[in-house]
Amino acid sequence: SAVISQKPSRDICQRGTSLTIQCQVDSQVTMMFWYRQQPGQSLTLIATANQGSEATYESGFVIDKFPISRPNLTFSTLTVSNMSPEDSSIYLCSVIRGLRGYTFGSGTRLTVV
Amino acid sequence: AQSVSQHNHHVILSEAASLELGCNYSYGGTVNLFWYVQYPGQHLQLLLKYFSGDPLVKGIKGFEAEFIKSKFSFNLRKPSVQWSDTAEYFCAVNGLEGAQKLVFGQGTRLTINP
Repeated sequence: SAVISQKPSRDICQRGTSLTIQCQVDSQVTMMFWYRQQPGQSLTLIATANQGSEATYESGFVIDKFPISRPNLTFSTLTVSNMSPEDSSIYLCSVIRGLRGYTFGSGTRLTVV
Repeated sequence: AQSVSQHNHHVILSEAASLELGCNYSYGGTVNLFWYVQYPGQHLQLLLKYFSGDPLVKGIKGFEAEFIKSKFSFNLRKPSVQWSDTAEYFCAVNGLEGAQKLVFGQGTRLTINP
């Protein structure tokens, strides 16, 4: 499976600020996915990031709040903008590697105070 | 759009009991199916997956799941659970057309009493 390095692993942020989460994959992948797992909840897909094009956002998520960059085939960032306590969650990136299925990053645990 | 439904929100069993967790999906095309487990305070771990072939798939830690296409189901089973199986279990589906995004069910919390 692909190895995904995600950072930071955790952060505590003030409301109104922004945090950028980085995801580095050890090999080239076409699509990268960003998920959010709110406390006690399942994983919800935020967006799909293709290299060279704008990310595709799921219902309920908008680019102004969660801008995504995908500058090359091994790297992506997700920014959580103008944070509020409701944004406190674990954010994960994921890639698909054909028949090997999906690999997930270790996650970023965000607490907004 | 694809969706996944897990019927059991919280299941409580005693050790050695048999387990079956329900999962149904909605999607009009061909799918891949997954079960993930998340132990308390830990990351997601893949239990098993179905891509094609034998609809009965075996995974790690003695788990298995059966894909019943006519019922759009992919239920997870284990004949005899252990206290260490206490965890959150997630069913997930990806459609093979388009972006192949993985969509998760809402999860089932499994508590095993010793």
